[in-house]
Amino acid sequence: SYELTQPPSVSVSPGQTARITCSGDALPKQYAYWYQQKPGQAPVLVIYKDSERPSGIPERFSGSSSGTTVTLTISGVQAEDEADYYCQSADSSGTYGWVFGGGTKLTVL
Amino acid sequence: QVTLRESGPALVKPTQTLTLTCTFSGFSLSTSGMCVSWIRQPPGKALEWLALIDWDDDKYYSTSLKTRLTISKDTSKNQVVLTMTNMDPVDTATYYCARIRDQTPDYWGQGTLVTVSS
Repeated sequence: SYELTQPPSVSVSPGQTARITCSGDALPKQYAYWYQQKPGQAPVLVIYKDSERPSGIPERFSGSSSGTTVTLTISGVQAEDEADYYCQSADSSGTYGWVFGGGTKLTVL
Repeated sequence: QVTLRESGPALVKPTQTLTLTCTFSGFSLSTSGMCVSWIRQPPGKALEWLALIDWDDDKYYSTSLKTRLTISKDTSKNQVVLTMTNMDPVDTATYYCARIRDQTPDYWGQGTLVTVSS
């Protein structure tokens, strides 16, 4: 079955840049989406279609794509950005199935 | 304002069938390009996609769970229903519904925790 691979954890100090990667064979053909999830809360969309930012999401959140890897970048990390981050995409087989990455815990030191 | 709310039993017994309802407002599922999806998250684990229904009543299911899932919609009531048969303790999770517009899952409900235990 198709999988998206994320690092389990990323740690940065406040004000630094955090980069969270997501790898999958179908990513060159399918859009990627990124969600932020804080404890006890529902996921919140922070990036859609690889690099678009929804209204209300701070400009420090950005997304990029290169080959089979997409990256969520958080510039000038703030303490409030500490959360789990999930990437999501679709299987390119045409079944329209979604796939989620395993999630990355972002720790702000 | 778009909102989605999941409802259903908090506790089900093994082998029972789970029925969850997503009640939404602020959009119509009869609008072209609109979809609703179900996603779940076991405690402390990652998100898992379950099923999706679109404005044209096309339905899509997780390959690993498709034999147990049925998704349906009632456009007049602004509801999407998911049934999952033969529940097992490993199905204990928070179940979310989400709106998809133009391929983008932009709004999620707050989720409902379902525990499977005898």
